[in-house]
Amino acid sequence: QVQLVQSGAEVKKPGASVKVSCKASGYTFTSYAMHWVRQAPGQRLEWMGWINAGNGNTKYSQKFQGRVTITRDTSASTAYMELSSLRSEDTAVYYCARGRWVVRGVTTYYFDYWGQGTLVTVSS
Amino acid sequence: SYELTQPPSVSVSPGQTARITCSGDALPKQYAYWYQQKPGQAPVLVIYKDSERPSGIPERFSGSSSGTTVTLTISGVQAEDEADYYCQSADSSGTGVFGGGTKLTVL
Repeated sequence: QVQLVQSGAEVKKPGASVKVSCKASGYTFTSYAMHWVRQAPGQRLEWMGWINAGNGNTKYSQKFQGRVTITRDTSASTAYMELSSLRSEDTAVYYCARGRWVVRGVTTYYFDYWGQGTLVTVSS
Repeated sequence: SYELTQPPSVSVSPGQTARITCSGDALPKQYAYWYQQKPGQAPVLVIYKDSERPSGIPERFSGSSSGTTVTLTISGVQAEDEADYYCQSADSSGTGVFGGGTKLTVL
């Protein structure tokens, strides 16, 4: 069965960086994209970016461009999301989610499996 | 930026039918997806491509689309269906967008 297991909770100071991992199992890692979605307290889900686990291509939300980097290690079937220049507003639960592509006029995606989430707290 | 609009809350009694709507200008052109999220848990996909149900999702969950509004219908609501429900679709560039979420309360 498909499983996405994320790393544990993090507490960071403003200005620092955080790197969250997502280990995949139960499917061929390189055949799918991995996305990252975050949820701040009381807020809606927010898409951050994706990585094509096969060729390493990435795309990021304009909101996070320049601060987020998504990478992967195919030998470990693991994706990573690093967010830099952290501020208090980045306090949120960060999820990895396996993406499924859909073409209807434009190419878009949805998420069929999610990791358990990683709480990142930014506080001085 | 493109937004999807959901009602903040819906309440129904057990056994009744719950309908949760999601509105967005691009919904006639883009599919909608629905996720269920229980407290402290990750979202779970319950409907994809407007009305398709993933394997393992009970038949009481269904989806429909009409113009700029999509609807998640839960027939014969059970206590275990109490959760937050989020719709998701895409803007004109294909970027994924989520609705604000609807809290379903089973009275």
